[in-house]
Amino acid sequence: TQLLEQSPQFLSIQEGENLTVYCNSSSVFSSLQWYRQEPGEGPVLLVTVVTGGEVKKLKRLTFQFGDARKDSSLHITAAQPGDTGLYLCAGGFRGSRLTFGEGTQLTVNP
Amino acid sequence: NAGVTQTPKFQVLKTGQSMTLQCAQDMNHEYMSWYRQDPGMGLRLIHYSVGAGITDQGEVPNGYNVSRSTTEDFPLRLLSAAPSQTSVYFCASSRTDSFYGYTFGSGTRLTVV
Repeated sequence: TQLLEQSPQFLSIQEGENLTVYCNSSSVFSSLQWYRQEPGEGPVLLVTVVTGGEVKKLKRLTFQFGDARKDSSLHITAAQPGDTGLYLCAGGFRGSRLTFGEGTQLTVNP
Repeated sequence: NAGVTQTPKFQVLKTGQSMTLQCAQDMNHEYMSWYRQDPGMGLRLIHYSVGAGITDQGEVPNGYNVSRSTTEDFPLRLLSAAPSQTSVYFCASSRTDSFYGYTFGSGTRLTVV
């Protein structure tokens, strides 16, 4: 059973464009995390959100946790080629393991 | 400042062979886990440990064994390799539970022929 659905699965855009990636679930999570993975490397944690409605910013990346803590979005402003990678969302419960979405493969073309 | 170290980086096995994937962390993290990553299937949990001497199964444990004799090390053993175990394997650790986020190793790419 896939608890976390990410969309889109693939996204190819031009440098300077904006984009949004979505992560949806029917489950309520204690926390939701976003990771970025580059080829040949392990995922790297970008952000953790824990409060419904929470918004966090990391330079040009904006992360939002849904009010009901079932969904999240990642918005990138003015994307750059260095943003290229696999973006993974992961939901967690206190005292338990993370469940990962299948990921969104982002390609930013110069 | 090594973080999570996985060895080897690449491995080719013949069907039926056994081997151990090594994972070590130097952050004094209690929680460690093993995932496999396959195209279209995301990261799937194989086994995890909440501390030395304690291990438990994830969603795809068949064909794999783990042990946790120290806080630092969490090796993954393939008992009798099968082509279906061809995958990229990641070890991850965290402070206590998933709430704080994981630190991942750089992975082991395993091919079983």
